[in-house]
Amino acid sequence: EVQLVQSGAEVKKPGESLKISCKGSGYSFSNYWIGWVRQLPGKGLEWMGIVYPSDSDTRYSPSFQGQVTISADKSFTTTYLQWSSLKASDTAMYYCARLGVDNSLAYWGQGTLVTVSS
Amino acid sequence: QSALTQPASVSGSPGQSITISCTGTSSDVGGYNYVSWNQQHPGKAPKLMIYGVSNRPSGVSNRFSGSKSGNTASLTISGLLAEDEADYYCSSYTNSSTLVVFGGGTKLTVL
Repeated sequence: EVQLVQSGAEVKKPGESLKISCKGSGYSFSNYWIGWVRQLPGKGLEWMGIVYPSDSDTRYSPSFQGQVTISADKSFTTTYLQWSSLKASDTAMYYCARLGVDNSLAYWGQGTLVTVSS
Repeated sequence: QSALTQPASVSGSPGQSITISCTGTSSDVGGYNYVSWNQQHPGKAPKLMIYGVSNRPSGVSNRFSGSKSGNTASLTISGLLAEDEADYYCSSYTNSSTLVVFGGGTKLTVL
């Protein structure tokens, strides 16, 4: 069974750093792109970027380029989303999702709620 | 502003049919048969309902169907049930480097 399990909720202060994770299992982890999606409170889904674990090829949506870092560690079958300096506007739910060969997002993590508040 | 355009909201009564549109360009929706639709209930992760324009994953009701004409894809839900009330997002493969573009989402209200 394909599963994506994300790390737990985080509460941080502005300016702090953070790295959240998404662990894949039940499939050949290296061979599928994994994307990250932001959902601001009460808002829609936003595609942040995507990583191919086999060679760590990473692409970012323009709005998120330079704002976050996406990475993957195939030895741990885990992808990561990190911030070097959080802002209050980063408060959101973050999902990881696996891109299938048919370019659909059939498998999603359960989401990680990130709250940034002083 | 999202890359794909969806109506903000649609509504229908139980038993009726509704259609949600998703308009893109020849670089995404119009150029490839890789349009998907995800359903999201409040507080839940999205769930894939349609992939490859018109294919249903195993376990998805045949009340859900998808189609495409030119740069516009559509999701039709027939025989509306109260449980269909949710947000619906289209997504498509894109020939840009990010591979995926989303619509802004459509809130379906079952009256």
